[in-house]
Amino acid sequence: DADVTQTPRNRITKTGKRIMLECSQTKGHDRMYWYRQDPGLGLRLIYYSFDVKDINKGEISDGYSVSRQAQAKFSLSLESAIPNQTALYFCATSETGTETTDTQYFGPGTRLTVL
Amino acid sequence: AQSVTQLDSQVPVFEEAPVELRCNYSSSVSVYLFWYVQYPNQGLQLLLKYLSGSTLVESINGFEAEFNKSQTSFHLRKPSVHISDTAEYFCAVSEKGSNYKLTFGKGTLLTVNP
Repeated sequence: DADVTQTPRNRITKTGKRIMLECSQTKGHDRMYWYRQDPGLGLRLIYYSFDVKDINKGEISDGYSVSRQAQAKFSLSLESAIPNQTALYFCATSETGTETTDTQYFGPGTRLTVL
Repeated sequence: AQSVTQLDSQVPVFEEAPVELRCNYSSSVSVYLFWYVQYPNQGLQLLLKYLSGSTLVESINGFEAEFNKSQTSFHLRKPSVHISDTAEYFCAVSEKGSNYKLTFGKGTLLTVNP
């Protein structure tokens, strides 16, 4: 089974709808991240969480919110979806600790289309 | 603030040819450097990283990258590519003291043709 899972894998929704993307991990990592990927723009950080009680905005948090329900779960919500939020969304995890805690492990991605 | 520039958005090569994917970074402090690879329809996975020590780092599948502080570069090279190396490659930087927050480049699509 995959260590980092994302649901749904594909979603088509309409402008103005609320949508939630979910991420679960079995790696036991404290840190979790949400990124979006757009063609030609690479990955941009939306939100990140270093433990259950710690939530931080990334570089493009406007229009998004997150919830860290447990160490293993980190959800991303679009309260009112708009077409320019059409993108590929990735969840990632990493450990907390010393200088070896640098590697991020990515889920398979959720392709979101907002019509 | 840190930033990453990948100089080529697409690099087409023939099988068994050498390849270099270029990456330059900007930061006012010391950095950690990474290359991630994304195969078609998959998430990203770490290819190799530079944290400290030897400036030449290698991956298990034959890629290598060299940290050049004076040129602020971390170019990725492979002497002979395979069809299976076709993927998008992302360079990323993390400033020391930033809690390992990554800033990614825009990616380079490597296409290996037969």
